[in-house]
Amino acid sequence: RKEVEQDPGPFNVPEGATVAFNCTYSNSASQSFFWYRQDCRKEPKLLMSVYSSGNEDGRFTAQLNRASQYISLLIRDSKLSDSATYLCVVNRRAGNMLTFGGGTRLMVKP
Amino acid sequence: EAEVAQSPRYKITEKSQAVAFWCDPISGHATLYWYRQILGQGPELLVQFQDESVVDDSQLPKDRFSAERLKGVDSTLKIQPAELGDSAMYLCASSLAGTGGPYEQYFGPGTRLTVT
Repeated sequence: RKEVEQDPGPFNVPEGATVAFNCTYSNSASQSFFWYRQDCRKEPKLLMSVYSSGNEDGRFTAQLNRASQYISLLIRDSKLSDSATYLCVVNRRAGNMLTFGGGTRLMVKP
Repeated sequence: EAEVAQSPRYKITEKSQAVAFWCDPISGHATLYWYRQILGQGPELLVQFQDESVVDDSQLPKDRFSAERLKGVDSTLKIQPAELGDSAMYLCASSLAGTGGPYEQYFGPGTRLTVT
């Protein structure tokens, strides 16, 4: 079983739609959590950190459920520019060492 | 804005040949990472440096891969001999270090390796 699992998609949604991605992680000792965005043939970039209390950044909302070892990302009012691969990332122990999920591909259509 | 530099951006090599990749992290970033990303998968950590010391290289195939960061600044990742299965994107990232983390990792543009 992979340490961080995501549905690879693709998720095909129309502009303006709300879409949610889920991610599960296996190591209960994981300490911090992130969503990264990766455009086609580009490097990953940090989208947002995920806090236990949940956090929001504009149209993006991230949630963490430590008991179920589950992370989610909600995108409201999807834009064409949101088309990318979203990587769920877990810092599995102290030392800033990240484990990446396989990514979920989102395609927003006009 | 400071960026992580990598070269070359693309490399085509024949199997059994040697290949090397270079990374220059953001100035002041003590921690440097090398990742491998196979098409359709997430990045996988190969090696992590803190200054010139290796922190973790448990996923580095040491029979053919080597990495060094001699002066604690730029770094080189080498593969010898290259195999067909090594075709992938090799990403370098850097971050600050010390207490108060975790710190955001900044990625370079990557080197896309094709082994024929």
